[in-house]
Amino acid sequence: QLQVQESGPGLVRPSETLSLTCVVSGDSINTTSYYWGWIRQPPGKGLEWIGSIYYYKITYYHPSLKSRVTISVDTSKNQISLTLNSVTAADTAVYYCARHRDRVSGADLWGHGTLVTVSS
Amino acid sequence: QSVLTQPPSLSGAPGQRVTISCTGSTSNIGADYDVHWYQQLPGAAPKLLIYGNTKRPSGVPDRFSGSRSGTSPSLSITGLQAEDEADYYCQSYDNVLSGWVFGGGTKLTVL
Repeated sequence: QLQVQESGPGLVRPSETLSLTCVVSGDSINTTSYYWGWIRQPPGKGLEWIGSIYYYKITYYHPSLKSRVTISVDTSKNQISLTLNSVTAADTAVYYCARHRDRVSGADLWGHGTLVTVSS
Repeated sequence: QSVLTQPPSLSGAPGQRVTISCTGSTSNIGADYDVHWYQQLPGAAPKLLIYGNTKRPSGVPDRFSGSRSGTSPSLSITGLQAEDEADYYCQSYDNVLSGWVFGGGTKLTVL
């Protein structure tokens, strides 16, 4: 059964870089042609799409985050990574990794999410 | 402020039917992109409930249904149960943002 699990530092200091990984288990991301996206949810608030990656290297990002975010895939580790530079308290959120079939489809598989708090 | 608009909250008694609307604009729902719906139980990740406006993934009870009349998509839940108490989100694609947009979420309370 395919599973997705995010992990990260939990606490990041303001102005530093947030780095998260999403490990896919149960199947190789090499054998599929899915898109992989990152979505975040600030405490008590709604969902915000951050960006997605497909064909292992083609990325597209939310315009408001584009200058600070990078999504990449490491096929040898079967994982998708997210880095977000120059973080502020506004980046405090639960970060989810999710799978989708194409640009316009919904996400049919989500990880449990990982909480990242930005604080000194 | 979310790109898609949903009612912030709704409530219904067990057994009743509720309907959640989702309003967008000409760059997303109005451009005929599909709408998808998610259920988020307290403390859990979102779960895909309806995709492609009206389709139910395997395992989703048929009490949940999606509809779309022109540019007005909605999610209906019939035979409301206590376990349906959750937040519900609509999502679509936006061709100005070139990515996903979500509704602000609707908190459903089962009385």
